[in-house]
Amino acid sequence: DADVTQTPRNRITKTGKRIMLECSQTKGHDRMYWYRQDPGLGLRLIYYSFDVKDINKGEISDGYSVSRQAQAKFSLSLESAIPNQTALYFCATSDYRTVTDTQYFGPGTRLTVL
Amino acid sequence: GQQLNQSPQSMFIQEGEDVSMNCTSSSIFNTWLWYKQDPGEGPVLLIALYKAGELTSNGRLTAQFGITRKDSFLNISASIPSDVGIYFCAGRDSNSGYALNFGKGTSLLVTP
Repeated sequence: DADVTQTPRNRITKTGKRIMLECSQTKGHDRMYWYRQDPGLGLRLIYYSFDVKDINKGEISDGYSVSRQAQAKFSLSLESAIPNQTALYFCATSDYRTVTDTQYFGPGTRLTVL
Repeated sequence: GQQLNQSPQSMFIQEGEDVSMNCTSSSIFNTWLWYKQDPGEGPVLLIALYKAGELTSNGRLTAQFGITRKDSFLNISASIPSDVGIYFCAGRDSNSGYALNFGKGTSLLVTP
């Protein structure tokens, strides 16, 4: 079973709709992240959470919100989707207790906003 | 976040050839990571580097943390078709703490 899962894997929606992307992990990590990937731009950080009570904005948080429902669950919402939010979205986790704090990624959600 | 300069942007090689790609940063990093992304999947960690000058291997892959702490390279020896994918460098500096800065990726195509 995958350690980091994301649902849905693919989603097509219309402009103005509210969308929620979900991430679950079984790694027992405290830290969770949401990234966006656009062709030719690499990965950019949207939001991150160091524990259930901690939420922080990343590089490109405008137009997005998150919820950390439990240690293992971190959701990303687009309150009113727009076409330039069409992208591949990745959730990642890391363990702050390790010196390396290496991030492990989920399989991604491909979102298309028409 | 800071964007890293990763090159080349793409490579098209024949099976058996060696591959080299690199990343540079304008600031000093304390961590360099190399990830591979297969089509339709998330990035998977290949090699992690934590000390300047460190040279680490993972099978046919070798990566080094530059002495200046502003660059890193990844070499793949004797490439095979399954090496196809996008390779990303990622780094962490003292100012970003938790956050990783990603390069734009090197797309590798290997022909049999």
